[in-house]
Amino acid sequence: AQTVTQSQPEMSVQEAETVTLSCTYDTSESDYYLFWYKQPPSRQMILVIRQEAYKQQNATENRFSVNFQKAAKSFSLKISDSQLGDAAMYFCAYRSAEVVGSGDKLTFGTGTRLAVRP
Amino acid sequence: DTGVSQNPRHKITKRGQNVTFRCDPISEHNRLYWYRQTLGQGPEFLTYFQNEAQLEKSRLLSDRFSAERPKGSFSTLEIQRTEQGDSAMYLCASRKLRDTGELFFGEGSRLTVL
Repeated sequence: AQTVTQSQPEMSVQEAETVTLSCTYDTSESDYYLFWYKQPPSRQMILVIRQEAYKQQNATENRFSVNFQKAAKSFSLKISDSQLGDAAMYFCAYRSAEVVGSGDKLTFGTGTRLAVRP
Repeated sequence: DTGVSQNPRHKITKRGQNVTFRCDPISEHNRLYWYRQTLGQGPEFLTYFQNEAQLEKSRLLSDRFSAERPKGSFSTLEIQRTEQGDSAMYLCASRKLRDTGELFFGEGSRLTVL
């Protein structure tokens, strides 16, 4: 079974600075997707960024980028120019891309709570 | 399109009572998922549907839990004989079958069992 580990329960960043959230995962599969989801307080979870395992190029979405290290099974999220609205829980998640595998479901880490200091 | 809708948003019940949650997915989404999230944890997969067919159930889904999606549109999650350990946020999500894989989540239904 796949596992996703987020070793930083809480992080803090100064507004306009850069912060990196860590995520490692364990899998025996070669084809999969990785996601970062953001869950603001009392609001629904939204997708921040996704990465296909077969792509070597790291995904980027505006101020958000990832450092995907497949061999190390590491998938960190970098937030540049942090804004007050970035304050939220961030979850790393894994989904198999194999037809016969762990099924069509996301496996989430325990999350990292990000605080942004004004 | 207003996104994934869940009702009720909050439910407080006494131990032993039955509760039912409803999820209305985004209209063109044929896959629908239920997750459970407890305080300080990430969401845990419970079950998912493709149209009206329930394709997978987690071992977390005891026989007190039942989910349906009778017409392939909205879904219900019923918990019978609730226990205090059932207290959690129940999240519904949906997506199209052949797409980028992004799940669209509802705001969740919070259950408190006294």
